[in-house]
Amino acid sequence: GAGVSQSPSNKVTEKGKDVELRCDPISGHTALYWYRQSLGQGLEFLIYFQGNSAPDKSGLPSDRFSAERTGGSVSTLTIQRTQQEDSAVYLCASRDSSGNTIYFGEGSWLTVV
Amino acid sequence: AQSVSQHNHHVILSEAASLELGCNYSYGGTVNLFWYVQYPGQHLQLLLKYFSGDPLVKGIKGFEAEFIKSKFSFNLRKPSVQWSDTAEYFCAVRRYDTGFQKLVFGTGTRLLVSP
Repeated sequence: GAGVSQSPSNKVTEKGKDVELRCDPISGHTALYWYRQSLGQGLEFLIYFQGNSAPDKSGLPSDRFSAERTGGSVSTLTIQRTQQEDSAVYLCASRDSSGNTIYFGEGSWLTVV
Repeated sequence: AQSVSQHNHHVILSEAASLELGCNYSYGGTVNLFWYVQYPGQHLQLLLKYFSGDPLVKGIKGFEAEFIKSKFSFNLRKPSVQWSDTAEYFCAVRRYDTGFQKLVFGTGTRLLVSP
């Protein structure tokens, strides 16, 4: 596709359930980022993938959060046993090979009730 | 840990007023600097970026930003705002010591331009 694609665009889940959020980066982009955008919190870095290197997981808020990137392309962010404070917009971004520009998807809006 | 500070969380201006949004970062080494904008209901878009060279950077839609290394600042400016500039603005920094890989954002500034 032309841009970074994320699904679902909106997800409402019950507290305690697991959710999976998907990101399909721009074709050929080797770097992929996940961010969380909460009201009043700005954009919080979660995790970064670069090629076959070990991901930078330093931003994951707890062990309930995990992410993988299969085949160097599509990435899935998984949140286990969701809590209300997990409600946020989860943004995925990918970076072109020149390393200069990061392109964002439209986000997945997660609401935990 | 690196932090990026945006001093103003909410700014309200009338059309034609001048805009300056502050951004400061806390890392002393070489950085790449960015401003992103998020219009209502839309995804984040790059406004402008600074890597090296002329510290005054011109971006899209009449925006510019000035990198002042001694002040660790990268403030965003526009001489005359329009109603369509209503959006949230994010400053972001990438550090040399992370190989310029990890992009860290400020908390954002919500700009409301009244017609």
